[in-house]
Amino acid sequence: GDSVTQTEGQVALSEEDFLTIHCNYSASGYPALFWYVQYPGEGPQFLFRASRDKEKGSSRGFEATYDKGTTSFHLQKASVQESDSAVYYCALGGSSGSWQLIFGSGTQLTVMP
Amino acid sequence: AQTIHQWPVAEIKAVGSPLSLGCTIKGKSSPNLYWYWQATGGTLQQLFYSITVGQVESVVQLNLSASRPKDDQFILSTEKLLLSHSGFYLCAWRGTFNQDTQYFGPGTRLLVL
Repeated sequence: GDSVTQTEGQVALSEEDFLTIHCNYSASGYPALFWYVQYPGEGPQFLFRASRDKEKGSSRGFEATYDKGTTSFHLQKASVQESDSAVYYCALGGSSGSWQLIFGSGTQLTVMP
Repeated sequence: AQTIHQWPVAEIKAVGSPLSLGCTIKGKSSPNLYWYWQATGGTLQQLFYSITVGQVESVVQLNLSASRPKDDQFILSTEKLLLSHSGFYLCAWRGTFNQDTQYFGPGTRLLVL
């Protein structure tokens, strides 16, 4: 079945550091790929999405490029801020009729001032 | 603009007691609706989805049930809570077009003792 793998469980950075959170997926066809961010005690917020090979999604300084060749959708940000501290989820839009979202395990980003 | 409301905000319940959680969407006609469960520190697991009033499909039951009594309302319930039901319950909606993005509500925190 379809799946999403986030390799980093936790990432700790200092302000202005460069961020990369890795996301790889396994699915047939061209699934839609998403990044969500979740702050403590809140529901996940949609960051951005991409639906086809080489498409770049971006929002709030974060970006990721859909790469079908490497089945990846890595999240990057050039200069993180303390307010970016949160859990980030990569998700895949399933191909079933339910339009199921399959989430990765999440990455806790902590940015120190 | 669409708004999503979940109630209650939080619950503390005894094992074996009944539960009813609600979700209301305003500003969107005939949305697809979803229930998710998130264990503390865990990822999101889709439980149910509904594409229309009176129709609910189960993805993972976890001894819970769901109903959609109105176009804008989605209910999650059980007659007997288990300790394993503790966690964060999230309602989400999306439009009816293929590959539309899912948007999440603020969630309900449930603690079963």
